[in-house]
Amino acid sequence: EDKVVQSPLSLVVHEGDTVTLNCSYEVTNFRSLLWYKQEKKAPTFLFMLTSSGIEKKSGRLSSILDKKELFSILNITATQTGDSAIYLCAAAPRRSNYGGSQGNLIFGKGTKLSVKP
Amino acid sequence: GAGVSQTPSNKVTEKGKYVELRCDPISGHTALYWYRQSLGQGPEFLIYFQGTGAADDSGLPNDRFFAVRPEGSVSTLKIQRTERGDSAVYLCASSFAPVTNTEAFFGQGTRLTVV
Repeated sequence: EDKVVQSPLSLVVHEGDTVTLNCSYEVTNFRSLLWYKQEKKAPTFLFMLTSSGIEKKSGRLSSILDKKELFSILNITATQTGDSAIYLCAAAPRRSNYGGSQGNLIFGKGTKLSVKP
Repeated sequence: GAGVSQTPSNKVTEKGKYVELRCDPISGHTALYWYRQSLGQGPEFLIYFQGTGAADDSGLPNDRFFAVRPEGSVSTLKIQRTERGDSAVYLCASSFAPVTNTEAFFGQGTRLTVV
C-alpha cells in the first residue's frame, strides 16, 4: 500500500532557529513529491521535487529529494512566528500506463511546527 | 473567481441526513479534486474530475458518497445517510493540468460535523 510518513509529527522552536522536516515515501510508480504549508484549512503549495539531489529554494525555505533512499527534507532557516503551520508532504504517482489520469496525491499526516517568539 | 471557493464553510448536520458540499474552481481549470481531512491527518484523496467526468473515484469510501460536475466547472460532493465518522474538513482543489498537482490550488474547505 502506498504511504507517506512524516517526522516529527510536531515541533516547537524559537524564532531564529533552523528546522528540518522529514518525509519518507513508498509509492508505486512515483513521479514527484510536493510540500504544502497549511494554515487554518487551505494547503498552499511550496515545492514540487522530481529529480534527486536538486535543491529547490524559496527565501528561507529549501527542499531536496533523494529518490534512492525515498525521502525528502524541508529546511526552514531563521524561523519566524509566521512559519507556524502544518507542513504537509505528498507523493504524486505517475500517470497510469493505459493512459488514464491519476489526480490523487498521497499525503502524510503533516508536521505541526510552532515557532515561539 | 480569484480562487477556489467552497460553500458552506461550516456545516452541522444530524446523523442520517443528506448533505451537499459545493466547490467552485478557478475559472478555466479543467481538473478538480476532492479530499477529506480528519483531525491530525493529512488530506485523503476522494475523487478527481477531468472536465465533466470522474477520471478517478477510487478514494470514495463507500456508496454513500457521490460527486458530480455536470458542466465541467462547479462540483458538488453529496453524502447520503451521514454518519459521525464522516465528520471532517472536505477540501476541494483545481488545476489546469490533469495530473500536475503543482498547479493545484486548494479552497478553504468545508468543515462537516455530524452530530
